[in-house]
Amino acid sequence: AIRMTQSPSSFSASTGDRVTITCRASQGISSYLAWYQQKPGKAPNLLIYAASTLQSGVPSRFSGSGSGADFTLTISCLQSEDFATYYCQQYYSYPYSFGQGTKLEIK
Amino acid sequence: EVQLVQSGAEVKKPGESLKISCKGSGYSFTSYWIGWVRQMPGKGLEWMGIIYPGDSDTRYSPSFQGQVTISADKSISTAYLQWSSLKASDTAMYYCARSHYGSGSYFTYWGQGTLVTVSS
Repeated sequence: AIRMTQSPSSFSASTGDRVTITCRASQGISSYLAWYQQKPGKAPNLLIYAASTLQSGVPSRFSGSGSGADFTLTISCLQSEDFATYYCQQYYSYPYSFGQGTKLEIK
Repeated sequence: EVQLVQSGAEVKKPGESLKISCKGSGYSFTSYWIGWVRQMPGKGLEWMGIIYPGDSDTRYSPSFQGQVTISADKSISTAYLQWSSLKASDTAMYYCARSHYGSGSYFTYWGQGTLVTVSS
């Protein structure tokens, strides 16, 4: 099974900051990677798929990059509504799997 | 409008059985994979398994294989997750989610979640 590791597990940032979250796969997964945002008490919401394609309706301050085993999610200018937990997910091979999550908190 | 509506919260005792549901609407139910995701209290997302309602092709994570059963009834556009003997460690929020067209892949639509509490 492919293991997904995110870093950091949590960190604090301020509104307006540029932040980057990293996701590493235990083996190459081409570009079969998605990113989700989850707010407390809510279901996850798809942000990005195919490593870098923005889901319809997602603000352009979110972007994704990477291929193979190393990926990043970048938020260019943090807004108050972006403080949440972010998960990556590989869909290269079964069983699909999520990273452990990165909790983004207000500094 | 695509919707996935899950059954309500459940409180069960260890050893009891349970079947929770996820009803899809607003799309062709048989044409998209539906998956189940566990989230234990204060923890991350865990991919449990996925089913293609068109032919009931089902894939499980090894972590959940044999522990749960995923099924679907295409006549009523509903997917299910069931346990034959619950444990306290099954206490979690369970989400169903619909995949992108044509593959298991990533989840574009999610249900609201079903909270399962197992306690003696």
